[in-house]
Amino acid sequence: EAGVAQSPRYKIIEKRQSVAFWCNPISGHATLYWYQQILGQGPKLLIQFQNNGVVDDSQLPKDRFSAERLKGVDSTLKIQPAKLEDSAVYLCASSGTGTNYEQYFGPGTRLTVT
Amino acid sequence: KNQVEQSPQSLIILEGKNCTLQCNYTVSPFSNLRWYKQDTGRGPVSLTIMTFSENTKSNGRYTATLDADTKQSSLHITASQLSDSASYICVVSPMIKAAGNKLTFGGGTRVLVKP
Repeated sequence: EAGVAQSPRYKIIEKRQSVAFWCNPISGHATLYWYQQILGQGPKLLIQFQNNGVVDDSQLPKDRFSAERLKGVDSTLKIQPAKLEDSAVYLCASSGTGTNYEQYFGPGTRLTVT
Repeated sequence: KNQVEQSPQSLIILEGKNCTLQCNYTVSPFSNLRWYKQDTGRGPVSLTIMTFSENTKSNGRYTATLDADTKQSSLHITASQLSDSASYICVVSPMIKAAGNKLTFGGGTRVLVKP
């Protein structure tokens, strides 16, 4: 079974520029999550999709972050404009509908904003 | 507010030695508690998962324990290996009906195994 795929793996941009991350979840997983993980901390949920609908985006800075999941499969997360404090690893995870709702994480995209 | 606190923040152990990581949580009621291992530059990978009715779960040299009364969990690593160097994250999931599947993550414990 293929895992969660993310790209790019690394990205360096200057502040005020824009950036986009892509995620392809495990085939058949209805739920997709985007997390932000700052160095030395645990992941923080940014947004959760169920198929192509948003379940929870309460911690998404909507003035600069946006995400979509067209057709309920792949997803993109965009930051525009980026700030220095956005430097972090952005993790994508997906889960199916098993009894324990196990989340499977991708390798992440490490973003550095200079 | 749901919280998960882990200790220590970091530790260094010699190869072959044992160590124990701690996790205290306030999530209640909760559905399950997971321990994840996160290697540098990679996403977290699940090590163990326990429901509120389970006291212990093993995965090779990793053994997790859970005390639902005191809201504490521990992860014990036996006979550590260099490949155990990673961050270990405690994650608690609330009851599904109450809050969907929103997980509460601890800050992690960074383990460094030295030869």
